[in-house]
Amino acid sequence: GAVVSQHPSWVICKSGTSVKIECRSLDFQATTMFWYRQFPKQSLMLMATSNEGSKATYEQGVEKDKFLINHASLTLSTLTVTSAHPEDSSFYICSAALGLDGIQYFGAGTRLSVL
Amino acid sequence: AQRVTQPEKLLSVFKGAPVELKCNYSYSGSPELFWYVQYSRQRLQLLLRHISRESIKGFTADLNKGETSFHLKKPFAQEEDSAMYYCARRGNTDKLIFGTGTRLQVFP
Repeated sequence: GAVVSQHPSWVICKSGTSVKIECRSLDFQATTMFWYRQFPKQSLMLMATSNEGSKATYEQGVEKDKFLINHASLTLSTLTVTSAHPEDSSFYICSAALGLDGIQYFGAGTRLSVL
Repeated sequence: AQRVTQPEKLLSVFKGAPVELKCNYSYSGSPELFWYVQYSRQRLQLLLRHISRESIKGFTADLNKGETSFHLKKPFAQEEDSAMYYCARRGNTDKLIFGTGTRLQVFP
């Protein structure tokens, strides 16, 4: 149980295009999902907290207009990297919180390469 | 600011040797501490949390409030323990703050 699916696992796009990443909780409902970014050989940095039916809460320094987050249902959150540039190339990971204790279960991550 | 410090980037031991992965956190109220593990080509997964006080795959971790530490220990390392280990804390919100991670290599 507690499986989080993230799609796609790898995406290459041209500079200036937008990319959407999906995060789904497959066997549970998640009122809260989280989006992280991980640079090579570095730790996970929280980008934003996504709550179902409300606006996402972004961490300091994260551009809301660049990284659009939508949490339309209890099992799906999406992250759209708008007008992507090479510096947006990174590993993006989502997680979903389960239960009252809010344990986070992680997706497998999406590697974004912007040419 | 809430911080989690993992001083070692890499820890190499031989099979059967004891292992201790260090984790220190900045003091702020009553944090909840976790250890997450990432095996090669797999996703991050929860190993254990201090509230549970349990042993998973032979690993234990004790919260030491005096030293603000939550070190991960295993008396006899196995090759399959080789992975990336992240210490994390959760404060007043549901947000997790991760340490920079320690890569454990267990040689045969």
